[in-house]
Amino acid sequence: GAGVSQTPSNKVTEKGKYVELRCDPISGHTALYWYRQSLGQGPEFLIYFQGTGAADDSGLPNDRFFAVRPEGSVSTLKIQRTERGDSAVYLCASSLGQNTGYTFGSGTRLTVV
Amino acid sequence: KQEVTQIPAALSVPEGENLVLNCSFTDSAIYNLQWFRQDPGKGLTSLLLIQSSQREQTSGRLNASLDKSSGRSTLYIAASQPGDSATYLCAVNTGFQKLVFGTGTRLLVSP
Repeated sequence: GAGVSQTPSNKVTEKGKYVELRCDPISGHTALYWYRQSLGQGPEFLIYFQGTGAADDSGLPNDRFFAVRPEGSVSTLKIQRTERGDSAVYLCASSLGQNTGYTFGSGTRLTVV
Repeated sequence: KQEVTQIPAALSVPEGENLVLNCSFTDSAIYNLQWFRQDPGKGLTSLLLIQSSQREQTSGRLNASLDKSSGRSTLYIAASQPGDSATYLCAVNTGFQKLVFGTGTRLLVSP
């Protein structure tokens, strides 16, 4: 597609529930990234995919967070047993490679009540 | 550990002024630096990308400079307009496929 698409744009869920956030990157971009942005802060790295594999998941805060990219295109970020502290904007980005710029999606605003 | 700082945190100027936003980083071993714009409740829009070997990049009224050795970048906005009001974020590519972001500068341009 023309840009990075993220769905849903907003998600409200109850504490303890499971959520899935979807990212559809720019066609042909092999690298895909997830970031999390809390209010008043800059985005923080969560995980990076090169193709289908998670090349670096060092930013995932704990084992409740998991992400997949089974066919090397669309990615899903999965959060189990959500907590109020998980509330944030989750941003997805894609790029062609190391020295190219990142294109971000509009984000998913997750609110855990 | 790479740390990125942006000064000022907030800036308010009248329309037509030229302004400079500052970004500093602690580790000069970077691949590139990217400036983004973020409107309230929205995602990030890329403005300029400067490779580590470059000194500056220009796009329209925007000019970004990079001094890698001193760990600094500036974003210069000429003839500011109310539509420029947004949060401006700089991000350093550390070379490990991670961007490290500053906390941003909130810009308000008044008519």
